[in-house]
Amino acid sequence: SAVISQKPSRDICQRGTSLTIQCQVDSQVTMMFWYRQQPGQSLTLIATANQGSEATYESGFVIDKFPISRPNLTFSTLTVSNMSPEDSSIYLCSFARAAGADTQYFGPGTRLTVL
Amino acid sequence: GESVGLHLPTLSVQEGDNSIINCAYSNSASDYFIWYKQESGKGPQFIIDIRSNMDKRQGQRVTVLLNKTVKHLSLQIAATQPGDSAVYFCAENRLMDTGRRALTFGSGTRLQVQP
Repeated sequence: SAVISQKPSRDICQRGTSLTIQCQVDSQVTMMFWYRQQPGQSLTLIATANQGSEATYESGFVIDKFPISRPNLTFSTLTVSNMSPEDSSIYLCSFARAAGADTQYFGPGTRLTVL
Repeated sequence: GESVGLHLPTLSVQEGDNSIINCAYSNSASDYFIWYKQESGKGPQFIIDIRSNMDKRQGQRVTVLLNKTVKHLSLQIAATQPGDSAVYFCAENRLMDTGRRALTFGSGTRLQVQP
């Protein structure tokens, strides 16, 4: 099965700055996703990262705040822009081998704290 | 379902007992369901899945039951071990506001295994 990794694993940032999180899968996959998990809560889908085109964002999330790149079938980045303490969360990427949101496998997450 | 914030429902069981974790899902059109296990500081780990054309599926020490009539999903863990202690999430494949199908996660249940 594919291995999925994220960098950084954690970071502490100042408000107003931006952080880019990287997600790498060790084999080509069709679908990649980004989720947010606020402290003690469940996962919320931010967007689907589409290879070669703009990401598809879910309600409540916008490209200006969470720009996403997916330059190829193994890699994606999520940027958290102009951060505030409310952005403190775990950010998770996942992948699915087929379209249609079939079984998803998750990375270890990036724990972000904004001061 | 609704998030319960920091106060996740907790199921406490004795080592060796069987555990049953329940989940109510929201959309009768959902056709695919997954159970994930999330240990502290890690990303969700796939446990078992089930499609809506089935009502039961078994894995190693785990069984998922699906009752479409009442939109209820359960995860049964046999002979629960200390390593099973984690937060368990159910996820349903449903149609999102974007018009795409995506996984929506339940609020989670914390399983505590007492030695």
